[in-house]
Amino acid sequence: QSALTQPRSVSGSPGQSVTISCTGTSSDVGVYNYVSWYQQHPGKAPKLMIYDVSKRPSGVPDRFSGSKSGNTASLTISGLQAEDEADYYCCSYAGTYTFYVFGTGTKVTVL
Amino acid sequence: EVQLVESGGGLVQPGRSLRLSCTASGFTFGDYALSWFRQGPGKGLEWVGVIRSKRHAGTTEYAASVKGRFTISGDDSKGIAYLQMNSLQTEDTAVYYCGRGFCSGGGCHLPDAFDIWGPGTKVTVSS
Repeated sequence: QSALTQPRSVSGSPGQSVTISCTGTSSDVGVYNYVSWYQQHPGKAPKLMIYDVSKRPSGVPDRFSGSKSGNTASLTISGLQAEDEADYYCCSYAGTYTFYVFGTGTKVTVL
Repeated sequence: EVQLVESGGGLVQPGRSLRLSCTASGFTFGDYALSWFRQGPGKGLEWVGVIRSKRHAGTTEYAASVKGRFTISGDDSKGIAYLQMNSLQTEDTAVYYCGRGFCSGGGCHLPDAFDIWGPGTKVTVSS
């Protein structure tokens, strides 16, 4: 099972919006609504930002939103802030052989 | 405070074994699934395996890359999950994290996502 495909990097100025894509297949993203997104600052543990494609855990700012169309999921960060600069990983359930597959990771830079 | 803390990492020679621990606090350990993940140097996240909650008999599943070499177990009385790693290879070098499984619907067979993560423990496999 290959990793889900994410852009290597995206960037934006404070206050702008950025969107990170996560492309999988009809065996993972395309068939299951169990896509989650994780934020990881350097040297730190991942933090859950979005689950079940578009739901936010308590405490995550509503600037973070998720969606899915076909085999591609997306994370949008609106009103970009300096503290949003981090690596972001998508993850999808992929059935009872592979179970979970992560994306390749995207570095978000706040200009 | 709800938290997970990994321990047991270190330097180990290829072919040897190592056991990692993930100690839970602030929640009832047996009520949740618990997964192990790893992140190689400069690389992305990789799911390693999961131990289901007590409700689902604490059964386990593994990634193909570690199946047959790694074993996950849990001690509900101590609130600790273990990752026994045998026949270690240089490509197993990584920071290993444990993560608590999260189910939005409640009582799911496998987690939707992972909501609490430990800070990680580093494993280096080298001669």
